[in-house]
Amino acid sequence: DVKVTQSSRYLVKRTGEKVFLECVQDMDHENMFWYRQDPGLGLRLIYFSYDVKMKEKGDIPEGYSVSREKKERFSLILESASTNQTSMYLCAISDRQETQYFGPGTRLLVL
Amino acid sequence: KQEVTQIPAALSVPEGENLVLNCSFTDSAIYNLQWFRQDPGKGLTSLLLIQSSQREQTSGRLNASLDKSSGRSTLYIAASQPGDSATYLCAGGTSYGKLTFGQGTILTVHP
Repeated sequence: DVKVTQSSRYLVKRTGEKVFLECVQDMDHENMFWYRQDPGLGLRLIYFSYDVKMKEKGDIPEGYSVSREKKERFSLILESASTNQTSMYLCAISDRQETQYFGPGTRLLVL
Repeated sequence: KQEVTQIPAALSVPEGENLVLNCSFTDSAIYNLQWFRQDPGKGLTSLLLIQSSQREQTSGRLNASLDKSSGRSTLYIAASQPGDSATYLCAGGTSYGKLTFGQGTILTVHP
């Protein structure tokens, strides 16, 4: 079974804090993705990576950055958290057949 | 830009009914079409993936079809059960496995 692990299920942070969300896979998949999910807006792609140290912007990259130093780990960074970044964050990986496997999600609340 | 629409937004059926969920997409140049299931507060679980060269895929009581020319996909669920209650999401896949998601259909199967 493919396993995608996210560092936290729930997180509460203050406005202006720097926030790190981590995603770890136990497979050797090249592609890793970060989405956010909001009621009425659905899932939107923030960033993705197709190899170590490679990153591409998704549809809503503003206010976020990412890091992929090792193949199994993909981090999403909120440089200065704001209340409009309160959301459910989902990490996903894809295999060669491009089926995407998702982690359990991190529900972030920014106060 | 790819846009994915799902109809209906919500569906409530009695146990045992066969049902169809609809998904339409604007850009026919998709690599694949994926269907996911999401339970409340959880991540997404992949159900079926149809490559662009395929017309349908089946897994147990689920059957998904793809018609690229009309920009449509359907998910057919046979003999529905209360355990099928969840949100069902379709997504069109492009290069590097990037997905564009629909808003989802909330399915409730009542005993």
